[in-house]
Amino acid sequence: QVQLVQSGSELKKPGASVKVSCKASGYTFNSAALHWVRQARGKGLEWMGWINTNTGNPTYAQGFTGQFVFSLDTSVSTAYLQISNLKAEDTAVYYCARAAAIALGAFEIWGQGTMVTVSS
Amino acid sequence: DIKMTQSPSSLSASVGDRVTITCRASQNINSYLNWYQQKPGKAPKLLISVVSSLQSGVPLRFSGSGSGTDFTLTISSLQPEDFATYYCQQTYTVPHTFGQGTKLEIK
Repeated sequence: QVQLVQSGSELKKPGASVKVSCKASGYTFNSAALHWVRQARGKGLEWMGWINTNTGNPTYAQGFTGQFVFSLDTSVSTAYLQISNLKAEDTAVYYCARAAAIALGAFEIWGQGTMVTVSS
Repeated sequence: DIKMTQSPSSLSASVGDRVTITCRASQNINSYLNWYQQKPGKAPKLLISVVSSLQSGVPLRFSGSGSGTDFTLTISSLQPEDFATYYCQQTYTVPHTFGQGTKLEIK
C-alpha cells in the first residue's frame, strides 16, 4: 500500500544537526510532491515547505530558510529533512506528507512523524 | 501569506450532536480548501479535499462546504471516535497555511 515511513525519534544537543528520513513505497516516487510539516508539542501544524520529487528543487516557507534543508535520494525513494544548529525551539514532531495533484494538492498521505528533541 | 482562521478554537459536544466548524481565509482561495483530523499522538488524516470531496473511507456524517473565503466542516451526528482536533488548510498558494485548529471535546 501507499505509505511514507519516517525515521525514529532523535535526541540532540543544542548546536548539533539531525537528518530525518521519509521513505516512500507503494507508488512511483517522482509522481507526487513531498511536503514537510512541523508540530511543536501542544501546538498546531506549520507548513515548512516542499520538494519537487522530479527536479529535487526545494521551496522553503519563511522561517525555515538557512537552518533547514530538504533533499532526495531517488534511488531509494527517500526524502530527507536536515536541520542544523539545533535549538531548543526546534523540538517538535516533523511530518512528511504526499500531495495529491488530483485533489488540488491536499496532503493525502502522511508519515507517522519523527519526534526531534533538543536538550542539553 | 494567506491567513486561515478557524472558529471556534475549542468545542464541547455530546455524542449525537451536529457540529459545525468554520474556516475563513484572508483572501480568495477558490476551492483549494482541505480539512484534516488529528488524534493525540497520531499524524493528521485528510478528511475532505477541494472543499467538499470526502476521502475514501471517511464516514458520510462528515461534509464540507463553502467557497471563496468562507468554509465549513460539518459532522452531522458525532460519534465517540470523532473527538479530535480538526485543521483546515489552503493549498491555493505557498505557504500552504493551516488554521490554528479546533479541538472537539466530549461534553
